[in-house]
Amino acid sequence: GAGVSQSPSNKVTEKGKDVELRCDPISGHTALYWYRQSLGQGLEFLIYFQGNSAPDKSGLPSDRFSAERTGGSVSTLTIQRTQQEDSAVYLCASSLVTGGWEKLFFGSGTQLSVL
Amino acid sequence: AQSVAQPEDQVNVAEGNPLTVKCTYSVSGNPYLFWYVQYPNRGLQFLLKYITGDNLVKGSYGFEAEFNKSQTSFHLKKPSALVSDSALYFCAVVNDYKLSFGAGTTVTVRA
Repeated sequence: GAGVSQSPSNKVTEKGKDVELRCDPISGHTALYWYRQSLGQGLEFLIYFQGNSAPDKSGLPSDRFSAERTGGSVSTLTIQRTQQEDSAVYLCASSLVTGGWEKLFFGSGTQLSVL
Repeated sequence: AQSVAQPEDQVNVAEGNPLTVKCTYSVSGNPYLFWYVQYPNRGLQFLLKYITGDNLVKGSYGFEAEFNKSQTSFHLKKPSALVSDSALYFCAVVNDYKLSFGAGTTVTVRA
């Protein structure tokens, strides 16, 4: 596609519910990253994928968070039993290759609100 | 671990004046440094990067940044700021194959 697409753009959920956030990277980009941006905070790294594998999951805050990527394309970030502290903007980015030195193309994010 | 710091939460300048957004880094070895910008209600966009070579890097929208090894800094600059430059700016460094971002600096350019 023309850019990185994320859906939904906004998600309101109740505490304890599960949510799935989707990311469609730019076609042909092998690297895909998930970040979280909380109000007044910087960008917090969550996980990155090289193809379908995730070499670095070190930023996932707890075992309630998981992510997968299929077909070297679409990625889903799942949060189980959501808590209010999970409220944030979840950003996805892709780049042509992994390594970090290629520029990242970011999606517009999913604003998650946990009531 | 490699990290960057942005010492100023906010920078306010008048339109037409020079704009500087500060970033310092803490790395072992040679750093790969980036600047990204987040305009209101829009996604993050790449501005420029320093990998190696010339210490003065030119990027999008008239921005440039100077890599200073002795001061471990990578400040973002624009000679003449525009109101449309008002945004949230992030400095970042490559850390174990991913980018680690600073806390961000909000720039407000007043007319």
